[in-house]
Formats: sequence, C-alpha cells, structure tokens
Amino acid sequence: GESVGLHLPTLSVQEGDNSIINCAYSNSASDYFIWYKQESGKGPQFIIDIRSNMDKRQGQRVTVLLNKTVKHLSLQIAATQPGDSAVYFCAENSGGSNYKLTFGKGTLLTVNP
Amino acid sequence: ETGVTQSPTHLIKTRGQQVTLRCSSQSGHNTVSWYQQALGQGPQFIFQYYREEENGRGNFPPRFSGLQFPNYSSELNVNALELDDSALYLCASSLANAGGGEQFFGPGTRLTVL
Repeated sequence: GESVGLHLPTLSVQEGDNSIINCAYSNSASDYFIWYKQESGKGPQFIIDIRSNMDKRQGQRVTVLLNKTVKHLSLQIAATQPGDSAVYFCAENSGGSNYKLTFGKGTLLTVNP
Repeated sequence: ETGVTQSPTHLIKTRGQQVTLRCSSQSGHNTVSWYQQALGQGPQFIFQYYREEENGRGNFPPRFSGLQFPNYSSELNVNALELDDSALYLCASSLANAGGGEQFFGPGTRLTVL
C-alpha cells in the first residue's frame, strides 16, 4: 500500500548550519511530492513541492531533492534560523492534481541559538 | 486575500454525540479537503469536496460525512463520536487543476471526545 515515512524523528542543529530532512516513499505513481512545515498550534504550511519528473527544485533557502531510483525525498534548509524550528512533513500527492495528500509522521527540527 | 479559516477552535464532546466542524476556503479556491491529525502523527486524508460533491475519500467510516456549499465553504460532520476521534481536524483548500501539490491549510479544530 501507499506509505510515506521519515528516517529521523528529531533533528537538532545550530543556528546558521544547514539542515537536511529525509523522507522515504513507496508509491511510485505519485505526481507530486511536497514538504510542509507545522509550527505548534498551527496548520501545516506549504514550503515547496517537486513534480515526479524532476529531481531537484530550489526555493528561498530551501532545496528539495527527489531520487526516484531509491524512492527518497529530502529537504535541505540553508543557514537554519530559530524560526525554522517546527515539525516538517513530507507528503505525496496521488490521483492527479490537488487530490489527496499522504503524509509521513514528521520530523521535529530544533534550531539552537 | 483571506486565508483558510476554521471554527470552532476547540470543542469537547462526549462519546456517542455528533459534531459539525466548519471551514471557509481561501478566496478563489474551489476545492476543500479534510484531514484528521492525531497527536504526534501526520495528517490523514478524510475526503475532498469539489463542486459540492465528494471527490475522493480516505479510509474513514461513513459516520464521517461532509458538505460543500456554493461559496465553496465546507462542513465536516462526525456522528456517534468515539474516543479515538479525538484529534486536530484540518481543512485545506486548493484550486482544482491548478497543478502542483499545494494545499492551503487552516489552523484546525481541536476535538476532544470524553
């Protein structure tokens, strides 16, 4: 069946360092892979997505890498800031545009000043 | 541009009761999805509404039902509440066929079933 999971449940980094959050997925038919950030008491906030026919996409301070050979997704955050502290979820979108998102369990990122 | 709003913020019910949660989609968005997020877990897809009809459903029993109104707002109804229904219920809106995986989430409704 479909599943999206994370390798590391927690990640602690120093302010200014680069962070890498990893995710494994199993549904090769997914169209999009997405990263969401969820702060305490808030709903998930879209960070960046990548289409299944791409292997890299960059945004502001973030880069998502997709390795379809090993079904692996990663989120790189450059120059991590205290405001980046949150739970990060990877999700996959199957069934066409804007159809259901399947989320992993999340990684808690803590940025130490 | 108005973001996704949900009401109420918190709700306490007892087992066996019924609950209705409400969601207003972001301006211009015509698709609404509902998710259940248990503590420490990722959101789980309940169902999606487009053009006032259910457009896909996750692994949830029929006592979870919904509606979408002509203004694209939506309701989630849960009958015969069970203790395991205690969770954060998230609403997400998007624009159908816009491409990409982006859905805009509201702050959620925290439901506690006693």
